[in-house]
Amino acid sequence: DVKVTQSSRYLVKRTGEKVFLECVQDMDHENMFWYRQDPGLGLRLIYFSYDVKMKEKGDIPEGYSVSREKKERFSLILESASTNQTSMYLCASSLRVDTQYFGPGTRLTVL
Amino acid sequence: EDKVVQSPLSLVVHEGDTVTLNCSYEVTNFRSLLWYKQEKKAPTFLFMLTSSGIEKKSGRLSSILDKKELFSILNITATQTGDSAVYLCAVDGGLEYGNKLVFGAGTILRVKS
Repeated sequence: DVKVTQSSRYLVKRTGEKVFLECVQDMDHENMFWYRQDPGLGLRLIYFSYDVKMKEKGDIPEGYSVSREKKERFSLILESASTNQTSMYLCASSLRVDTQYFGPGTRLTVL
Repeated sequence: EDKVVQSPLSLVVHEGDTVTLNCSYEVTNFRSLLWYKQEKKAPTFLFMLTSSGIEKKSGRLSSILDKKELFSILNITATQTGDSAVYLCAVDGGLEYGNKLVFGAGTILRVKS
């Protein structure tokens, strides 16, 4: 079974703090994705990566950056957290674009 | 402008009812459509549809795709409280959408006992 893990289930940060969200997958997938999920808006893609050290902007990259130094690990970074980044963050990995496997999510609250 | 639209936004039914969830899309170079079920945490994969008219079935869940009319339906028969979840539809639009999935907003289904 594919396993995608995320470093925290719940996180509370203050405005202006730097936030790291980590995602690890154990299936040697090339593709990894970061989404945020907000009520009524569905999943929106922030960044994705097709290979180590490779990253592509998704639909809403502003305020975020990513890092993929190793194939199994994809990190999402909020350089200076803001209240409008309070959300559920979901990481996914896949062999192809479709059939993505999701992690359990991190619910981030920025105060 | 929404490219993947799901309806209804939410639905409350009683156990034993049959429900139909809809997903319409506007993606020209369509490659596949996927359905996910999301309970309290991660979305889990249900079906992937690539060809029109072919029904995918798993137990009480089934789904069909109409590529001409650009929509898919997800049917759940004899619903149970464990079917309560958010159901997400996503479309792979190929290069036009940067080789990534475009998700709908989801349908919230609540099954009452």
